[in-house]
Amino acid sequence: GNSVTQMEGPVTLSEEAFLTINCTYTATGYPSLFWYVQYPGEGLQLLLKATKADDKGSNKGFEATYRKETTSFHLEKGSVQVSDSAVYFCALREINTGGFKTIFGAGTRLFVKA
Amino acid sequence: DTEVTQTPKHLVMGMTNKKSLKCEQHMGHRAMYWYKQKAKKPPELMFVYSYEKLSINESVPSRFSPECPNSSLLNLHLHALQPEDSALYLCASSQESGTGREQYFGPGTRLTVT
Repeated sequence: GNSVTQMEGPVTLSEEAFLTINCTYTATGYPSLFWYVQYPGEGLQLLLKATKADDKGSNKGFEATYRKETTSFHLEKGSVQVSDSAVYFCALREINTGGFKTIFGAGTRLFVKA
Repeated sequence: DTEVTQTPKHLVMGMTNKKSLKCEQHMGHRAMYWYKQKAKKPPELMFVYSYEKLSINESVPSRFSPECPNSSLLNLHLHALQPEDSALYLCASSQESGTGREQYFGPGTRLTVT
């Protein structure tokens, strides 16, 4: 079945450092890819998405490019802030016999120090 | 309005109790979801409703009983739970069509079974 693998955390960075969180996927067909973020004590919220190969999703300084040739969707940010501390989930959405399902990666916890 | 609301925020229940979790959205989404999330883990899909009909049940024990009374409301009825059912329960909604549709998550209900 389809799956998502993302780098294990936690990732600890100083403020203004460059961030990369790696994500690769296994899928039949052409899924849409997502990054969701979960702040402490909250539900998940969409950070960005890409629906086809070579698309770049971007939001709040974060970017990720849908790379079909490497089956990757790495998340990057040029300068992180303390407020970016959260858990980041890479995900793909697939069509299933009963409807649409989202497959999540294990999540990567990010700590940003002032 | 892009909000999914969940009540209650916290719930403590004994193993013999019956309780219900509630979820509401007014975005016109026709797909609604229940997820269970344990600490430091990704959300785990439990149920999917599509156009108010149960379309996916991920082999969830019968002590969890979902209900979708109308297109805006989703309930999860709980009965005879076990301590290992303690978790964050997340509701989500999305447009029904297309793999490119993101999910909107509520803040969750933190459930503790004693």
